[in-house]
Amino acid sequence: AQKVTQAQTEISVVEKEDVTLDCVYETRDTTYYLFWYKQPPSGELVFLIRRNSFDEQNEISGRYSWNFQKSTSSFNFTITASQVVDSAVYFCALSVMDTGRRALTFGSGTRLQVQP
Amino acid sequence: DSGVTQTPKHLITATGQRVTLRCSPRSGDLSVYWYQQSLDQGLQFLIQYYNGEERAKGNILERFSAQQFPDLHSELNLSSLELGDSALYFCASSVVANSPLHFGNGTRLTVT
Repeated sequence: AQKVTQAQTEISVVEKEDVTLDCVYETRDTTYYLFWYKQPPSGELVFLIRRNSFDEQNEISGRYSWNFQKSTSSFNFTITASQVVDSAVYFCALSVMDTGRRALTFGSGTRLQVQP
Repeated sequence: DSGVTQTPKHLITATGQRVTLRCSPRSGDLSVYWYQQSLDQGLQFLIQYYNGEERAKGNILERFSAQQFPDLHSELNLSSLELGDSALYFCASSVVANSPLHFGNGTRLTVT
């Protein structure tokens, strides 16, 4: 079975601070995909990034960066110079190449509040 | 805009009733997924369809059922509704396995 743990339930920072959201996953599969999604107060789920298990390169997209470490089964997400618009719930998710099952297993989410 | 359309946006109904939620996937996406988001259970996978056929089942109750039609839109039917079924129901679609899921804006169901 797969499991995704986001131990940080809620984080509050002041604008321009850097913040890291932690994600730890469990799977016995050697081929899998990791995702991050953002859910702003308006409620929709917005795709941010996908990584496969064979690509451990860190990725940077603007103020967002992701650190994938297979050795620790972690896929952490850092927002640099946070802004109020970053306030949202962030979900980490895992997908494996299980027979017939392609759905995402989500973590419980981390609520990020960025104060002005 | 993800390209996934869900209707209605809000639904208020009474216990014991039956409702149907509708989802139109992104153009070209063959897979449709249904998720339930509640405060106590988080985001739970319910069921997946691929090109009209059921592909995977998650934590879907027997009172719930779904189908995907030839035009690829999908419907989630919830019957004998209970207070605990109140939640945000998301539909998502994807092109192929393990490609990113693109979510609709959800249907907020309130059972009173």
